[in-house]
Amino acid sequence: AQKVTQAQTEISVVEKEDVTLDCVYETRDTTYYLFWYKQPPSGELVFLIRRNSFDEQNEISGRYSWNFQKSTSSFNFTITASQVVDSAVYFCALGIGGNTPLVFGKGTRLSVIA
Amino acid sequence: DTGVSQDPRHKITKRGQNVTFRCDPISEHNRLYWYRQTLGQGPEFLTYFQNEAQLEKSRLLSDRFSAERPKGSFSTLEIQRTEQGDSAMYLCASSLEGSQPQHFGDGTRLSIL
Repeated sequence: AQKVTQAQTEISVVEKEDVTLDCVYETRDTTYYLFWYKQPPSGELVFLIRRNSFDEQNEISGRYSWNFQKSTSSFNFTITASQVVDSAVYFCALGIGGNTPLVFGKGTRLSVIA
Repeated sequence: DTGVSQDPRHKITKRGQNVTFRCDPISEHNRLYWYRQTLGQGPEFLTYFQNEAQLEKSRLLSDRFSAERPKGSFSTLEIQRTEQGDSAMYLCASSLEGSQPQHFGDGTRLSIL
């Protein structure tokens, strides 16, 4: 069975601080995909990134960066120089094979205080 | 390029009533997914379609739930004889085939009185 664990329920940081959101996944499949989504207060889930199991390269997109480590089954998300607009619930998700239904973690609520 | 559209945004109904939600996916997307999200939880998979074929249903989808995608475009999710436990946000997502990201609509929030 597949499982995604986001151990941090809530994180609060002061604006401009860096923050890392943890994600640990479980699967026996060798082909899988990992995702991060952002859910702002308005409610819509916004896609941020997709990573496949064969590509362990870290990725950076502006203030966002992702660290994928198969050895620890982790796919962590770092926001550099956080801003108030980053306040949201962030979900990590796992998909097996070709775009099957996603298994989501319970999410981490990030509050960035001005 | 319009996104995934869901209707209605909010639905309030009395226990025991039937409700139906609609989802219009991104036009070129073959796959359409329904998820349910309760407070403080991540979305949980309910069912999905490839074109008009319903390929998988979760154990969460009781006999009171039915979903259709008759022409491989929009989809409907019906809940019969609603119960208090059905109160949740119902999310629709769509994607191209393969491993492409799922794009979500704004959801339909269902409240059972």
